[in-house]
Amino acid sequence: DQQVKQNSPSLSVQEGRISILNCDYTNSMFDYFLWYKKYPAEGPTFLISISSIKDKNEDGRFTVFLNKSAKHLSLHIVPSQPGDSAVYFCAASENAGNMLTFGGGTRLMVKP
Amino acid sequence: EPEVTQTPSHQVTQMGQEVILRCVPISNHLYFYWYRQILGQKVEFLVSFYNNEISEKSEIFDDQFSVERPDGSNFTLKIRSTKLEDSAMYFCASSAQGWGNEQYFGPGTRLTVT
Repeated sequence: DQQVKQNSPSLSVQEGRISILNCDYTNSMFDYFLWYKKYPAEGPTFLISISSIKDKNEDGRFTVFLNKSAKHLSLHIVPSQPGDSAVYFCAASENAGNMLTFGGGTRLMVKP
Repeated sequence: EPEVTQTPSHQVTQMGQEVILRCVPISNHLYFYWYRQILGQKVEFLVSFYNNEISEKSEIFDDQFSVERPDGSNFTLKIRSTKLEDSAMYFCASSAQGWGNEQYFGPGTRLTVT
């Protein structure tokens, strides 16, 4: 059951450049989306979210874009920093539901 | 900054034994969750809990699992008779409201069933 997919298992970016992490979903009932960052031996840390009534949400260096017609969202990190190196998960939930469905994660490596 | 805490950080148990994983959610949060991540796999939802009852549960959350909020601060997950395939990281999470609110995760409990 691959309702939320992150097709790139890893991404390597130079410090200061933009990191773009992608996520696709198949369930048209999803209408709230979140990005989490995870370091080894820690729980997921909430980064940013977006509801389906918006197509963009920004918080500092992090921007999430949502394309509902394509069932695609992306996380942009500008500028990327070495401390951003972690595994990034996208997650989604359905209207009036609380459970999060996670993607498989993308490991981001930001090189100094 | 308020955070979700979980104990123990690592639990080793023998197959067939009962385990209780403990969580202290963020104090003013009303919704509580358990997720798990088997090594190399996705984070999977187990159960959500609101107003002292289960609000949603997944197919994974069968009769071997139960949740409880025994007092005003703790939230527990009990596995009645552990199986080898229950070995995973178990994450507790909490949110202030339900849908449309971010869930904050604890550091996890690594459960190893031998």
